[in-house]
Amino acid sequence: DAGVTQSPTHLIKTRGQHVTLRCSPISGHKSVSWYQQVLGQGPQFIFQYYEKEERGRGNFPDRFSARQFPNYSSELNVNALLLGDSALYLCASSLEFVGYSYNEQFFGPGTRLTVL
Amino acid sequence: SQKIEQNSEALNIQEGKTATLTCNYTNYSPAYLQWYRQDPGRGPVFLLLIRENEKEKRKERLKVTFDTTLKQSLFHITASQPADSATYLCAHHRRARDDKIIFGKGTRLHILP
Repeated sequence: DAGVTQSPTHLIKTRGQHVTLRCSPISGHKSVSWYQQVLGQGPQFIFQYYEKEERGRGNFPDRFSARQFPNYSSELNVNALLLGDSALYLCASSLEFVGYSYNEQFFGPGTRLTVL
Repeated sequence: SQKIEQNSEALNIQEGKTATLTCNYTNYSPAYLQWYRQDPGRGPVFLLLIRENEKEKRKERLKVTFDTTLKQSLFHITASQPADSATYLCAHHRRARDDKIIFGKGTRLHILP
């Protein structure tokens, strides 16, 4: 079985541009979460989507948005990129909604975004 | 607000010894704590979870303890090997309708041959 996949693996953008990152969860998983990981820090929660609805949002500006599709894949969009958005963006999938009861999260390899 | 604190200094341990990593939290006691391993350039990999009503959890050479009085979790790797070298992340969340998982910064562990 394939694990969580993310695309692209690396991306270079300039300030002010827009970016779309993609995530395919493990087959059968209904929940997708997005995290931002800056070098030397732990992952910071951005969004959780469950059954195509936003079920949690971290402390990120409105420039960050996401959605989940009927096949449970997900996109993270970031508008008006800033230098500080440079980070590893991680997607994690789980069988059910993480908040109700424990569900193990499986992380993808991440997308390395560099903003110049 | 709730914080997770892990020792940001790298930990160097001689091969064969037990490595012990610390995770402290402030304020409320989480429903459960999780420990992850992360290798450079890779996503975190889940290792162990311990619930608030559990004192200890084991999996092969790994052991996690949870002390709600001290607001602390300890993560032990016994008979450590160079392949255990990685960054170890502590994470937690409350049982809530739409809560988020909070990660610590992680501790880099080096097992010296």
